Amino acid sequence: AQSVTQLDSQVPVFEEAPVELRCNYSSSVSVYLFWYVQYPNQGLQLLLKYLSGSTLVKGINGFEAEFNKSQTSFHLRKPSVHISDTAEYFCAVSLIKAAGNKLTFGGGTRVLVKP
Amino acid sequence: GAGVSQSPSNKVTEKGKDVELRCDPISGHTALYWYRQSLGQGLEFLIYFQGNSAPDKSGLPSDRFSAERTGGSVSTLTIQRTQQEDSAVYLCASTWDTKNIQYFGAGTRLSVL
Repeated sequence: AQSVTQLDSQVPVFEEAPVELRCNYSSSVSVYLFWYVQYPNQGLQLLLKYLSGSTLVKGINGFEAEFNKSQTSFHLRKPSVHISDTAEYFCAVSLIKAAGNKLTFGGGTRVLVKP
Repeated sequence: GAGVSQSPSNKVTEKGKDVELRCDPISGHTALYWYRQSLGQGLEFLIYFQGNSAPDKSGLPSDRFSAERTGGSVSTLTIQRTQQEDSAVYLCASTWDTKNIQYFGAGTRLSVL
């Protein structure tokens, strides 16, 4: 079975500062990797995904993530955050081989951007 | 086009009552998923539909939970004899591709008193 660990439950950061959210996964088979964002009282919105190819993935709103197979990590970064980036961020994996695979989520990281 | 629609957005019920939660996926999406988001357990998979069939029900927590999908479109999640531990946000997602990019609805917040 696969699992996802998000190492920080909360990350406070000042506006215009960089932020990194850490994600590590465990799986005996290859996986697809995702980052989702959840704004208050809303559903999950896809930020970016890694399916194959280049290990540096760029997503929406200036976010990017790097897949590191040897360290089984998929950390999310943004060089300069805005107040509007205040939200909860979820890392998720799904198994490549099986059709219609469920997402396995990490516990989430709550980002609070301070002025 | 329209996204994934869930209704109601909020539901308050008394312990022991039955509830039905509805999900209307994006048109043309063949796969549909239900997840539950709770304070104690985080985001958990409940059930997956491909068309009207449910090949994976492994996440349903008890036999009080059931779901169906009709016409390859709308799905209903039913919780019988609700318990306080059923209080959570129930999220629905849909997708059309095998690379599993799922699109989520805003969820139904269920409160069991």
